Amino acid sequence: GDSVTQMEGPVTLSEEAFLTINCTYTATGYPSLFWYVQYPGEGLQLLLKATKADDKGSNKGFEATYRKETTSFHLEKGSVQVSDSAVYFCALSLFYGGSQGNLIFGKGTKLSVKP
Amino acid sequence: DAGITQSPRHKVTETGTPVTLRCHQTENHRYMYWYRQDPGHGLRLIHYSYGVKDTDKGEVSDGYSVSRSKTEDFLLTLESATSSQTSVYFCAIRDRVETQYFGPGTRLLVL
Repeated sequence: GDSVTQMEGPVTLSEEAFLTINCTYTATGYPSLFWYVQYPGEGLQLLLKATKADDKGSNKGFEATYRKETTSFHLEKGSVQVSDSAVYFCALSLFYGGSQGNLIFGKGTKLSVKP
Repeated sequence: DAGITQSPRHKVTETGTPVTLRCHQTENHRYMYWYRQDPGHGLRLIHYSYGVKDTDKGEVSDGYSVSRSKTEDFLLTLESATSSQTSVYFCAIRDRVETQYFGPGTRLLVL
């Protein structure tokens, strides 16, 4: 079945370090891909998205490129800040059969950034 | 903000009692979703709706029912709450370009 696998956390980095959170997917068809972020005690917020192969989503210094050949959508940021501490979720959305565009999530990766 | 609210935000209940959670949107979107979030599982789909009175089951629908009598409201009912339904529940709406927006969540504790 369709699924999303993202790297296990927690991930702890120092401020200004480079961030990569790996995400790979398995899907029948051509999904749209998303990264959501959840700050403590809050709901999920859309961080970025990409709807077709080679698209790059970007927002707030974060980037991810839709790689069809490696079925990946890795999240990167060149210089993290303490305020980036949160849980990050990779997700896919498909429209075929009965899927109705439902999101399938990875299990989340907790990021802690130390000053 | 996507104009989506959930009520109540926190609830404590006892095993065997019915519980109803409400999701309200002001965006007039057709699709609405209920997810639960549990440690180690990410978010899992419970039920979703693709229009008034049109609903379908998700991955973890056992023990839950939903209703949508108006575009703006999507109700989730735990028919007889169990401790395994202790969780954080999120509602989401989907816009015309496929993006889902989430409410603030409801923390439910079943004793």
